[in-house]
Amino acid sequence: DGGITQSPKYLFRKEGQNVTLSCEQNLNHDAMYWYRQDPGQGLRLIYYSQIVNDFQKGDIAEGYSVSREKKESFPLTVTSAQKNPTAFYLCASSPGAGGNSPLHFGNGTRLTVT
Amino acid sequence: GDSVTQMEGPVTLSEEAFLTINCTYTATGYPSLFWYVQYPGEGLQLLLKATKADDKGSNKGFEATYRKETTSFHLEKGSVQVSDSAVYFCALRYNNNDMRFGAGTRLTVKP
Repeated sequence: DGGITQSPKYLFRKEGQNVTLSCEQNLNHDAMYWYRQDPGQGLRLIYYSQIVNDFQKGDIAEGYSVSREKKESFPLTVTSAQKNPTAFYLCASSPGAGGNSPLHFGNGTRLTVT
Repeated sequence: GDSVTQMEGPVTLSEEAFLTINCTYTATGYPSLFWYVQYPGEGLQLLLKATKADDKGSNKGFEATYRKETTSFHLEKGSVQVSDSAVYFCALRYNNNDMRFGAGTRLTVKP
C-alpha cells in the first residue's frame, strides 16, 4: 500500500543537539511538506518542496533545515537554534501538478527535547 | 492573509446526538475546503472535501457544504458514535499552495 512513513514515532534529545526526522513516501507525489503541531494551535508550516532539489520556507522555518535530494524523501533537521523544539511533527505530500488536491499525512514524530 | 477559524472545543456529546462543528474562512479567492480527522497519536486523515461553491462533501455520515456567501464549511453528522471521538480540522488550499488549517476542535462522544 502507498503511503507516508515517518520515523521514529518518538524521539528524545538533549538540548543543544541537532536531530533529523525522517519522512519517506511511495505515492509518487511531487510536493512534500513539514508541519509542526502544538496543543491548541493547529498545524503550522515549517518547509515545503514542490520538486526535487528545491524547497521553500514556511511560516516558522527558523531553527529548521530540510533537503530534497530524492523525490521520495524529505528529511527535517531540528537544529539547536530552534528555541522550543518539543512538538509533534507531521510530514505530508500531495500530487504536484494541477487541482486542489488534499494532503496525505504520515503518522507523525513526537520530539521531546530536555 | 488566508485563514480558517473553527469553533473552540472541546465538544462533548452523547452517542446518537447531532454534531455541528463550525468553520469559517477568510480568503482572497476561491479555495478548496477540507475536513481532516486526527485520532490520538496519529497523523491527519482526510474526511471530506469540496472544491467549489455549493459543493457538498460527504463521507462516513459526515457532511459539509461549501457556502461562498457566508464563507463557511460547517461539519455535520446526524448521529455520532463513540468511535467519532477525535480532533477535527478544517482547512483551505489554493492550487498547489500549502494548506491552511484551523486550530482544531476536539470531540468526545460518551456512551
